[in-house]
Amino acid sequence: EAGVAQSPRYKIIEKRQSVAFWCNPISGHATLYWYQQILGQGPKLLIQFQNNGVVDDSQLPKDRFSAERLKGVDSTLKIQPAKLEDSAVYLCASSLALAPRLHEQYFGPGTRLTVT
Amino acid sequence: DAKTTQPTSMDCAEGRAANLPCNHSTISGNEYVYWYRQIHSQGPQYIIHGLKNNETNEMASLIITEDRKSSTLILPHATLRDTAVYYCIVRVAWNQGGKLIFGQGTELSVKP
Repeated sequence: EAGVAQSPRYKIIEKRQSVAFWCNPISGHATLYWYQQILGQGPKLLIQFQNNGVVDDSQLPKDRFSAERLKGVDSTLKIQPAKLEDSAVYLCASSLALAPRLHEQYFGPGTRLTVT
Repeated sequence: DAKTTQPTSMDCAEGRAANLPCNHSTISGNEYVYWYRQIHSQGPQYIIHGLKNNETNEMASLIITEDRKSSTLILPHATLRDTAVYYCIVRVAWNQGGKLIFGQGTELSVKP
């Protein structure tokens, strides 16, 4: 099966600019996640969707980050305006949420954002 | 979610078994132990999970102590492709609201 797709793979912007990342989950996966991974650290969950509804966005900096999942399939994550500390890899993951794959999350390759 | 403690780094000779320890002394009765790994420049990859019993799949074995306060991930015949950061995570099941909280992980280097 095709994996989780993300684009772009790399992005360089200046601080105060805006940027958007796109994710296409594995077909049929109802749950979608966005993680932020700063260099040298483990991924940190930003937001979790179940179909097109938000399950958990407690770690999302809502003053500058926004995410949507229209029609319960693709998702976009936006940062506006970007700060230097937003430099990180942004990972999208999806899960089937049904046995026997209930426990597995499948991650995309990530988008590496550099803010200068 | 309970916290985990892992060694920062480990080395393993190619072809030998890699045994990666994880301490989770505050684990609750309904929390599972998960292992993911992240190869350089890739997203994390699910390896295995368990609740109480030892588990084995095509990638690895998971040994959980009887008191569930620690576990060991075993890669039976490590190859160079197993070089990665390995994350041990404990959480309740997804359908009970659990989420993956990644720590620093163990950086495993498999050497020829």
